[in-house]
Amino acid sequence: DVKVTQSSRYLVKRTGEKVFLECVQDMDHENMFWYRQDPGLGLRLIYFSYDVKMKEKGDIPEGYSVSREKKERFSLILESASTNQTSMYLCASSSPPGDNQPQHFGDGTRLSIL
Amino acid sequence: SQQGEEDPQALSIQEGENATMNCSYKTSINNLQWYRQNSGRGLVHLILIRSNEREKHSGRLRVTLDTSKKSSSLLITASRAADTASYFCATDEEGSQGNLIFGKGTKLSVKP
Repeated sequence: DVKVTQSSRYLVKRTGEKVFLECVQDMDHENMFWYRQDPGLGLRLIYFSYDVKMKEKGDIPEGYSVSREKKERFSLILESASTNQTSMYLCASSSPPGDNQPQHFGDGTRLSIL
Repeated sequence: SQQGEEDPQALSIQEGENATMNCSYKTSINNLQWYRQNSGRGLVHLILIRSNEREKHSGRLRVTLDTSKKSSSLLITASRAADTASYFCATDEEGSQGNLIFGKGTKLSVKP
């Protein structure tokens, strides 16, 4: 089975801190994704990556950056955390487009910015 | 950008009843996928239906796809309390790089 592991289930940080959320997948997937999920807004795509060192902006990239130095690891960075970034963050991975395969999700990181 | 829109937003039924959730979308797709999310957890993939398929079954799940109406439905038969969760549809648009467009979900509550 595909396993997508997010480094923390719960995280509390302070306004202005630089925050790193880590995600690792074990299926050699090319594509990796970061979403945030808020009540009433569903899942919104922040960034995705279709190859090592490649990244594409999603719908809400402002205030975030990403890093993909190795195929299995995709990191989400909050450059200077703000209270409006308090949310549930979900990482996912998948094989390349055209394969008609699903995305596989981690368990999520519930991030609180105080 | 949101594409899939689930209907209803919330559904409450008794154990043993069937639950039907609908999803509408706007563009041409490669496939449509349904996911389940238990409270506070990640999404779990349930079923994927390709654009050239009309119906698919998996256990107690039945998914239909009508590309002419740009809509899909998820039927859960003989529901159980353990089916209580949020259900999301997601579309893989033609020409995409593999990113899915998710709806806002249907919150299903199955009462014992």
